Amino acid sequence: EAGVAQSPRYKIIEKRQSVAFWCNPISGHATLYWYQQILGQGPKLLIQFQNNGVVDDSQLPKDRFSAERLKGVDSTLKIQPAKLEDSAVYLCASSSGPDRLVGYTFGSGTRLTVV
Amino acid sequence: AQTVTQSQPEMSVQEAETVTLSCTYDTSESNYYLFWYKQPPSRQMILVIRQEAYKQQNATENRFSVNFQKAAKSFSLKISDSQLGDTAMYFCAFTPAQAGANNLFFGTGTRLTVIP
Repeated sequence: EAGVAQSPRYKIIEKRQSVAFWCNPISGHATLYWYQQILGQGPKLLIQFQNNGVVDDSQLPKDRFSAERLKGVDSTLKIQPAKLEDSAVYLCASSSGPDRLVGYTFGSGTRLTVV
Repeated sequence: AQTVTQSQPEMSVQEAETVTLSCTYDTSESNYYLFWYKQPPSRQMILVIRQEAYKQQNATENRFSVNFQKAAKSFSLKISDSQLGDTAMYFCAFTPAQAGANNLFFGTGTRLTVIP
């Protein structure tokens, strides 16, 4: 089974620029998550999709962050304009459904540096 | 609110020895799931072990086992016969069992170094 694919692996941008991250979950996984992991901290949920609908985006800074999951498969997360405090690893994860013990599969993340 | 606390930012252990990583959590939920994830330098979160809160028996996966104390809201991870490949960040995580609310809440992590 292929894992969760994310790209790019690294990105360096200047503040006020825009950036986009891409995630392709495991085939058939209905639920997709974007997490932000700031250095020295645990991941924090930004947004959760169930198929192509948003389940939870309460922690997403909507003035600058946006995300979509067209056709309920892959997803993009965008930041515009970026701030210095957006420097972090952005992790995508997917899960197959209500059985939480099946687990969540994570991608390798995108490390964003805003200078 | 759900919170997960890992009070040991860093730990080290000699190869082949045993080490225990601590985790406490706070929740008003009666049923939930607990996880330990390993994050090596590759950044990918790898599931180590998981526990259902309504199960009394502690979960075990090969060299990894947990001590789950529901009343104390404690969920520690024991790694036996530590190997160099166990060197990584370890995160404790929690999710409520109710349908739809399946976000993972993570602690701040413990950096484990296995010394040859």
